[in-house]
Amino acid sequence: QKEVEQDPGPLSVPEGAIVSLNCTYSNSAFQYFMWYRQYSRKGPELLMYTYSSGNKEDGRFTAQVDKSSKYISLFIRDSQPSDSATYLCATPSDNYGQNFVFGPGTRLSVLP
Amino acid sequence: DVKVTQSSRYLVKRTGEKVFLECVQDMDHENMFWYRQDPGLGLRLIYFSYDVKMKEKGDIPEGYSVSREKKERFSLILESASTNQTSMYLCASSETSEGRMDEQYFGPGTRLTVT
Repeated sequence: QKEVEQDPGPLSVPEGAIVSLNCTYSNSAFQYFMWYRQYSRKGPELLMYTYSSGNKEDGRFTAQVDKSSKYISLFIRDSQPSDSATYLCATPSDNYGQNFVFGPGTRLSVLP
Repeated sequence: DVKVTQSSRYLVKRTGEKVFLECVQDMDHENMFWYRQDPGLGLRLIYFSYDVKMKEKGDIPEGYSVSREKKERFSLILESASTNQTSMYLCASSETSEGRMDEQYFGPGTRLTVT
């Protein structure tokens, strides 16, 4: 079983829609959870991260972790065409926070 | 702003050639990483380094080697390129911070095609 799994998509939504992106993970020792955004022909960049369970909000983006079900979610409100990208969830794979395990990414298209 | 640069955006090599991919970061980060990214598989760690001349194998080191002679530069070497090494290669760097998650900063990637 892969350590971090996510639906690869592609996911297409109309502009203004609420988007829900999800990951599941297998290792209950994971504490930090991150969302990276990768535009076409660019490297990933950190969008936001959360520690342990609960929600974290940053503008139109909300990251949610449910440790009991090992489920990570990223919600995008009022989605914009500029949100079109691949979204990767990630978590550190060691206690030092240096090495990460990445999900395969979900490709999102927001149509104007 | 942290900047991670990679020597080439696109590279085409023949089977059996020795291939060098260079990565440079300008933020004095201790840690540097090489990943490959393939559709449906995501990012897979090839090698990482937490200090000059130090290296550690990642999940898929076979067929690759690395070199870190200077803190800012981390090279990935394909000793004898094969078609199954056709992929997007991403370099990343991070600093070491006690007790918290270290954000990884990525370069733009090198798309390598081996024919």
